[in-house]
Amino acid sequence: AQKVTQAQTEISVVEKEDVTLDCVYETRDTTYYLFWYKQPPSGELVFLIRRNSFDEQNEISGRYSWNFQKSTSSFNFTITASQVVDSAVYFCALSDPYNNNDMRFGAGTRLTVKP
Amino acid sequence: EAQVTQNPRYLITVTGKKLTVTCSQNMNHEYMSWYRQDPGLGLRQIYYSMNVEVTDKGDVPEGYKVSRKEKRNFPLILESPSPNQTSLYFCASSEYNEQFFGPGTRLTVL
Repeated sequence: AQKVTQAQTEISVVEKEDVTLDCVYETRDTTYYLFWYKQPPSGELVFLIRRNSFDEQNEISGRYSWNFQKSTSSFNFTITASQVVDSAVYFCALSDPYNNNDMRFGAGTRLTVKP
Repeated sequence: EAQVTQNPRYLITVTGKKLTVTCSQNMNHEYMSWYRQDPGLGLRQIYYSMNVEVTDKGDVPEGYKVSRKEKRNFPLILESPSPNQTSLYFCASSEYNEQFFGPGTRLTVL
C-alpha cells in the first residue's frame, strides 16, 4: 500500500529563515511519482513539483529546493529566505504512474511565516 | 485555458437535502477524481473515473455517488448529506500523471 507521512503538523518561522518540510513515503512500486502542492489561505491547490522515481537529482527553483533520497524514502522541501507569502499548507503526494487515479496525499504541513 | 471548474464554490445546506456538486474539465482527459480534504487527514479520494461510464470507489466513498455520462463532466452527488460530510471538496482530472485540480467546494452540512 502506498502511504505518505508528513510528520510536521505545523511549523512557524520568522521571515528570512530557511525552513525544511519533511516528507516520507512508502511504496512497493519501483516506479512512482512524487509531488508537492501548496495550498494558500484562499484554498486552491497550487502545483509545485513532480519528480519521477528514476530521477534522484535535486531540484532548485528560485527559493525552493527539493531533496529526493530513495535510500531513506524521503522527498523533503526547503524554502530559503522564507517570506510571509510562503505561509500556506503544503502537501506531499505519491502516485502510481500506471494508474492516474491512485494518488496518496500526506496530511499536510501548515507553515506560518511571521514578519 | 486548460481548467477544471467546480460549482458551487461554497454551499451551506441541511441534513438530508440532496445536493450535487458539478465538475467540468476542458482538457479531454479520461481520468477524473473527487477528493475531500479534512484537517489532519490531507486529501482522500472519494471516487474516480477512468472514462465515460466507468467509475470506481476510492478510499472514502460512503455517502457519495458519482456519474460519468460525458467525458468532460463528473458530478458528485450527496443523496442525504450528513454533518460528517462537511468538508472541502476537490475535483481533479489527469493524464500522464499530471493532475489538474479544481478550485474546491467548501460544503457545510448543518
